Formats: sequence, structure tokens, C-alpha cells
Amino acid sequence: DIVLTQSPATLSVTPGESVSLSCRASQGISTSIHWYQQKSNESPRLLIKYASQSISGIPSRFSGSGSGTDFTLSINRVESEDFSVYYCQQSYSLPLTFGSGTKLEIK
Amino acid sequence: QVQLKESGPGLVQPSQTLSLTCTVSGFSLTSYHVHWVRQPPGKGLEWMGRIQNGGSTDYNSALKSRLSISRDTSKSQVFLKMNSLQTEDTAMYFCAIFPYWGQGTLVTVSS
Repeated sequence: DIVLTQSPATLSVTPGESVSLSCRASQGISTSIHWYQQKSNESPRLLIKYASQSISGIPSRFSGSGSGTDFTLSINRVESEDFSVYYCQQSYSLPLTFGSGTKLEIK
Repeated sequence: QVQLKESGPGLVQPSQTLSLTCTVSGFSLTSYHVHWVRQPPGKGLEWMGRIQNGGSTDYNSALKSRLSISRDTSKSQVFLKMNSLQTEDTAMYFCAIFPYWGQGTLVTVSS
């Protein structure tokens, strides 16, 4: 199984700061990585697909990069609504796997 | 409009079988794969398995011996059955046609 390691586990930031969240795969997965945001008691929402492809309706402050084993989700100027948990997910091979998440919290 | 909605018993006794239904609208089950994902309270997401558009199934090896996914295309419904439930199976269970997810249904395993 492909293991996705997200770091940091928790990120404390002030609104307006820009942040980068990391996701590292245990083997090369090309660009088959997707990023989700999950707020409390809600279903995950897709933010970025295939490492860097934008999703309709998602604010442009969210962007993704990376290929192979190292991937990054960047949030330019964090807003109050962005404080939640972020997961990466790989679709390179079965079983599909998710990272353990990064919690973005208000400092 | 794409919608998925999970339904199920809410409470299951240990060692019993869980049966959940995912009702889909806005999509044909013969065109897309339907996945089941679960999330224990306060923890991360675990992919359980999927039923492909052609009807074949794939399972997470960690659950394969206990899990079965099937469907009724005429009713636009997908079914999950998992036996020998234990307390660690307590979780929110989601069905999804990525990137679309249902709201989830909470299943508690307790006597």
C-alpha cells in the first residue's frame, strides 16, 4: 500500500499569512495526488486534483504542486474560513489511501 | 444535481453485520465508480472499497474478508455489508463518486 505522510500535523497561523502543507508518498505516484478540505461534521471537499489542477468554485488562493513523491498544498493569505483539516489522497494504485491530515488552526 | 445519501441503522451490536445503503441521483451507476470511505471519530479517512461502473468490486485488503459491496442499478442504490463488527468499526461512513461525497452516516458499534 502507498503510505502518504502529511506534515506538519498541526499548523498554527494568523489570518493573512501564507502557508504550505506537505504530503510525501512512500513511492513515486506521478501526479496522482488530490487535496481535500474537511470542516467539522462535514464531508471532505476537493480543492486540487492531480497535484496542481484547479477545481471550479475553489478560491484561487489554493494551489498545488509536486510530482513523484513530494507534494505541496499552498494557501495564499489564509482566511478565517480556511481553518480546518486538510487531507491528501492518492489515486495511483489500489487501495486508495489518504494522508493522516494537517490541521490548520488559528494562532 | 449530483447527490449521494447514505442510510443505515446507526447502532450495531458487536459481532453483528452492518448494512448500509447509498442512494445516488444525478449519476448513472453504470457510468461511474462508487466508493465507500469511513472515518472514526476524530481520526482520518480510510478507503474501504468500490464498485466499478461495470459492476466489479475492489476492496481494501484490511477489510476484504468482512466486506461486500453490491448495487441495484434500477434503484440507483449501492449497498455495503460488513460482518463481525467490533467497537473499532465505529465511524462515519461515506459513499462517494469522487469528487462528490454523501453527508455520511454515523455507525456506532456498542452493546
